[in-house]
Amino acid sequence: GAGVSQSPRYKVAKRGQDVALRCDPISGHVSLFWYQQALGQGPEFLTYFQNEAQLDKSGLPSDRFFAERPEGSVSTLKIQRTQQEDSAVYLCASSLRGLAWETQYFGPGTRLLVL
Amino acid sequence: AQKVTQAQTEISVVEKEDVTLDCVYETRDTTYYLFWYKQPPSGELVFLIRRNSFDEQNEISGRYSWNFQKSTSSFNFTITASQVVDSAVYFCALSEANTGTASKLTFGTGTRLQVTL
Repeated sequence: GAGVSQSPRYKVAKRGQDVALRCDPISGHVSLFWYQQALGQGPEFLTYFQNEAQLDKSGLPSDRFFAERPEGSVSTLKIQRTQQEDSAVYLCASSLRGLAWETQYFGPGTRLLVL
Repeated sequence: AQKVTQAQTEISVVEKEDVTLDCVYETRDTTYYLFWYKQPPSGELVFLIRRNSFDEQNEISGRYSWNFQKSTSSFNFTITASQVVDSAVYFCALSEANTGTASKLTFGTGTRLQVTL
């Protein structure tokens, strides 16, 4: 079956623009995670959904970052008034039932460059 | 707070050599899970293995093997007879699980493995 998909794969934004990044999890997966990966670093947790409920948003770096998953499937990560330090790869992952021991499966990521 | 350390930033080996990637973790939880992921140049993180804190049995899968030692808080990964296709960045990650619900992954900074002919 299809894996996690993300769009767009690449996004160039001028500083101050708003961007929206989309994630389609594996069909039927309850849990969805967003991570941010800076160049040369490991992914860092941003936020987590179980179905449509956002259960943890402790990793969002500022109130310019907002995520939603209104119908419990597709999720959108929105960044308002982008800044250069927002340049990174944004990774989405999903797991089947939202249980702690389950493997998270990752999408290919969206590479965001803010000029 | 949980932490994962991968002290080796980059390793370069010649094909057919064996190579070990180190991972040391910190956690206060008694129940946790350890993972290894591979990130090839395409960028997508590929799951390799999951280990829970109650199972210290080492595991072998083809040319890959993992050594989990709770006494030293380490979860090392060995590739035997390395191949050029093994070239990638490898990440070790930790998930704390005492609540029983899904938990975020805490990643190390990764080890870049370069295998040359």
